[in-house]
Amino acid sequence: GQNIDQPTEMTATEGAIVQINCTYQTSGFNGLFWYQQHAGEAPTFLSYNVLDGLEEKGRFSSFLSRSKGYSYLLLKELQMKDSASYLCAVGDSNYQLIWGAGTKLIIKP
Amino acid sequence: NAGVTQTPKFRVLKTGQSMTLLCAQDMNHEYMYWYRQDPGMGLRLIHYSVGEGTTAKGEVPDGYNVSRLKKQNFLLGLESAAPSQTSVYFCASSRSGEVYNEQFFGPGTRLTVL
Repeated sequence: GQNIDQPTEMTATEGAIVQINCTYQTSGFNGLFWYQQHAGEAPTFLSYNVLDGLEEKGRFSSFLSRSKGYSYLLLKELQMKDSASYLCAVGDSNYQLIWGAGTKLIIKP
Repeated sequence: NAGVTQTPKFRVLKTGQSMTLLCAQDMNHEYMYWYRQDPGMGLRLIHYSVGEGTTAKGEVPDGYNVSRLKKQNFLLGLESAAPSQTSVYFCASSRSGEVYNEQFFGPGTRLTVL
């Protein structure tokens, strides 16, 4: 079967760094996406990895290891506005996105 | 550009009633998708379309029908609503379905079936 696992909830402090992990087992692999979703809003695109390694974009970085079926999203210099759910999604062999349930990130002052 | 829009934003139905959710995009995208999002679960694909006049089933198509008569619009129909269809429905679009198919989402429709 196809499966994507992420922690349900994480808490971090404003100004700190947090790493959100995602492990996956899918039929085929056509890239891994991270999306951000604020409560009551639509998901918005954060990052895309198709090759192993780290992709950096401002305060956010995303890492992929295809051999381990593993990715993480790293958020630096946390701000209160980063309080949101972070969704991991993998493109499968049919180019459909398989979505994790999301990690709710709570930022405390 | 408005991006992806959805109507209505909220709706309450009684069991057995029917309704249509409308999705529109102004980005000239080929692919469009309908998802549902339930607490504790990932987004689940209901139906999708790879172009005008085409539709295909996703992971959870039962109880839903779709149509894509115009490239910019994708309609989701519930013929006889059931309480199990209470959910948040998101429409999304992408340039294509292949590599790096970043999907752009609408604001969602919150549907309650009593």
